[in-house]
Amino acid sequence: GENVEQHPSTLSVQEGDSAVIKCTYSDSASNYFPWYKQELGKRPQLIIDIRSNVGEKKDQRIAVTLNKTAKHFSLHITETQPEDSAVYFCAASEGKWNSGYALNFGKGTSLLVTP
Amino acid sequence: EAQVTQNPRYLITVTGKKLTVTCSQNMNHEYMSWYRQDPGLGLRQIYYSMNVEVTDKGDVPEGYKVSRKEKRNFPLILESPSPNQTSLYFCASRDPTSGAPAQYFGPGTRLTVL
Repeated sequence: GENVEQHPSTLSVQEGDSAVIKCTYSDSASNYFPWYKQELGKRPQLIIDIRSNVGEKKDQRIAVTLNKTAKHFSLHITETQPEDSAVYFCAASEGKWNSGYALNFGKGTSLLVTP
Repeated sequence: EAQVTQNPRYLITVTGKKLTVTCSQNMNHEYMSWYRQDPGLGLRQIYYSMNVEVTDKGDVPEGYKVSRKEKRNFPLILESPSPNQTSLYFCASRDPTSGAPAQYFGPGTRLTVL
């Protein structure tokens, strides 16, 4: 099935700096790429997503870029704040009906924003 | 309010004692799935269901069973739990072919098998 790799596994930035998390995927038929934020002890929550027909999407301080040719996508967080500290997961949706368009997740990036 | 619910939220049990974790969604989603989350391993899919009476194995199905008799419910069954099934479990639902394919997670069930 789809293989999603995520880097880095940990990231520490100072408040106000930018953070970038990168993911690569293997299935060229993947067509949907969500990003989830998971705070300690809580469920993963969708923060932004992008479809394969779009190269970039922005929502306030977060943005996602997609390079279909290279099969990678990235999450960008600008002007980071301590409340951005969490584990972030990328995912890629298999473009196959017989797998239920399964979402395959990266292993997560633990982001720490220090004041 | 659109949501996925799971019960129980916390469970401590002993090896071999059958248990069921319930999951319910109110968004009329066809696709539901179960994940387990372990440190360093991310979210791994256990089973998924594309519709009522249609279920299939995910990446780590051994030791688990599921059923999908109604669209809204997707219980996870551990017939004979073992300590290596100690984990954090999430149920999730989505509608992958819709204009809004986002996946929603339940609050999680922390299971400890002694």
